[in-house]
This record gives sequence, structure tokens and C-alpha cells, in this order.
Amino acid sequence: GAVVSQHPSRVICKSGTSVKIECRSLDFQATTMFWYRQFPKQSLMLMATSNEGSKATYEQGVEKDKFLINHASLTLSTLTVTSAHPEDSSFYICSASRDTQYFGPGTRLTVL
Amino acid sequence: GENVEQHPSTLSVQEGDSAVIKCTYSDSASNYFPWYKQELGKGPQLIIDIRSNVGEKKDQRIAVTLNKTAKHFSLHITETQPEDSAVYFCAASKGATGGSYIPTFGRGTSLIVHP
Repeated sequence: GAVVSQHPSRVICKSGTSVKIECRSLDFQATTMFWYRQFPKQSLMLMATSNEGSKATYEQGVEKDKFLINHASLTLSTLTVTSAHPEDSSFYICSASRDTQYFGPGTRLTVL
Repeated sequence: GENVEQHPSTLSVQEGDSAVIKCTYSDSASNYFPWYKQELGKGPQLIIDIRSNVGEKKDQRIAVTLNKTAKHFSLHITETQPEDSAVYFCAASKGATGGSYIPTFGRGTSLIVHP
């Protein structure tokens, strides 16, 4: 299968700061990547679809100004949580699409 | 839109027993059904998938069946081992022939295999 990496795996930040999470497809080019959010013991919630070279498509209820997505290359998408607050604490997972979706290992964000 | 129901939410079995997880979907246009295994603190990993042109697919101890008429599909794990313990998600989507697609996920099944 294909390999997708995420960095960092874990981050703790103070309320009001911004945090950037990187998602990379290591062995294939992905024109589309996806960002999910997962709360404890719940399913994956799609936040946005990231398209290389164009604006991301956000799901209903997801604030695009708070969750900034950039897909600058065919192997890299970034999610920036701006002015993070404790309620943004969650497990963020990206995926890259080839013949199917391949998920990254996730990033645990804790906002104090 | 698509709606995927998954049962049971929790499944506890003894090592060596079989485990079955069932999902139903609502959109008859869905034609691709992947299954993911998620271990604690990690991202989901694709373990098997099935497309609508087949009714069954098997990979060692894991098999998936699909009934398009009834709109349900199931994951079967035989000879379960403690390392099979994880949360399993089913998903359904359209556009299985490649390119980008957005799956709808079930709520997940927490499988516990007791040694």
C-alpha cells in the first residue's frame, strides 16, 4: 500500500496560538488529500478536501478561516489551526487519494 | 447523501473465534466499499476492500461479502488473534474506478479479542 506521513504526531500549544500540521504522500502523487477530525471513540469527520493548486473545499460547519488548508504540491498538504482554543483539541488525520484513500498516522492536538 | 450504518458497536470474542461486522448503506449508486482498522492513537489502515462487481473477496483470515440488492456488506475475520483487537470502520463511496472520491464511514466497531 501507499505511505502517508503526518508531522507532528503530537503537539501541545497555548490557547490563541496557531499550529501547522503537515501531510505528505511519500511514494505517490496525490492531486487530492483530505483532512479529518476524530473525537474519542467516534468516527472520522471530514473537514475539507484539499486540491493541489486550488482552494480547499470545506464541509458544512467547518470554518475555513480557522482551519487553513494549503496544497502546494502533489505530495504535501498542510492544515493550520489558527488561534487555537481548547475546543480545537482533537485527533486530526489526513488521507491521500490514489486508487483508494490512504491515511496518515494522525496528529494529536492539545490546546491548553 | 449516503448513510452507512455499522453494527455492532462493540464485539468481544475469544481468541480463535470468528468475528463478523455488518454494515448497510443507503445509496444504491455506491460501488466501492473499503474496510479500515484503527489501532489506538493511530490512523486508519486499509485492510480489505470490495467493488460492486464482485460479491466476495478474501485475503488470508479476512473476507468481505457484498449484497448489492440488500445494500449490505460484512467483514469476516476468522481465527481471531489478540492483535486483531482494534476499531474497524466500514465505508461506502461512488467512483471506484480511480481518482478522488469521498467515502462515508460507519461509526466503527471496537473488536476485543481475549487471549
